[in-house]
Amino acid sequence: EDQVTQSPEALRLQEGESSSLNCSYTVSGLRGLFWYRQDPGKGPEFLFTLYSAGEEKEKERLKATLTKKESFLHITAPKPEDSATYLCAVKGGNNRKLIWGLGTSLAVNP
Amino acid sequence: DGGITQSPKYLFRKEGQNVTLSCEQNLNHDAMYWYRQDPGQGLRLIYYSQIVNDFQKGDIAEGYSVSREKKESFPLTVTSAQKNPTAFYLCASSYRAGTPVYGYTFGSGTRLTVV
Repeated sequence: EDQVTQSPEALRLQEGESSSLNCSYTVSGLRGLFWYRQDPGKGPEFLFTLYSAGEEKEKERLKATLTKKESFLHITAPKPEDSATYLCAVKGGNNRKLIWGLGTSLAVNP
Repeated sequence: DGGITQSPKYLFRKEGQNVTLSCEQNLNHDAMYWYRQDPGQGLRLIYYSQIVNDFQKGDIAEGYSVSREKKESFPLTVTSAQKNPTAFYLCASSYRAGTPVYGYTFGSGTRLTVV
């Protein structure tokens, strides 16, 4: 069964303290892995798509990487405005739908 | 600017009442989706549609209905048969399933509360 697990469930950082969020997945024939950011009371905002192991993508302080079993979202020198819930989703070859993780709630203190 | 518009932002439903949530997109996306989000449960798929006049049940379709008469519009009706409708509802769209796969664009959501 296709499955996505995100860890940690919640993370609190000091401003400038770099860290990583994890997304572990089990899927038959990965076709894409997606990272989203969601602010309270709003819809998820698309960040990255990764298609194959070894791929990396960057956007400002965020960098997403992908292996055959997991993806990491690295946050370098975070700022309070990076506080949000980060969601991971995968699409496999046998499934027409995205499989979503439960998210990591990130709080960055000034 | 292109995007997805959901309305209303807040909706209150009385017991036994049907309500309809609106979702309109001007991105020229083929596929549209409805999700329900509850605390601690993540995003759960209600219905999706890949082309006009066709839609498929998701994981939690009971008590909901949809229509897709226009490419731009995918309204969701929450019927009285849905016993626990209080939740945050999200509409999304994407280019049609294929290679490569595309990410979804989400609307800003509708918060439905039963009163």
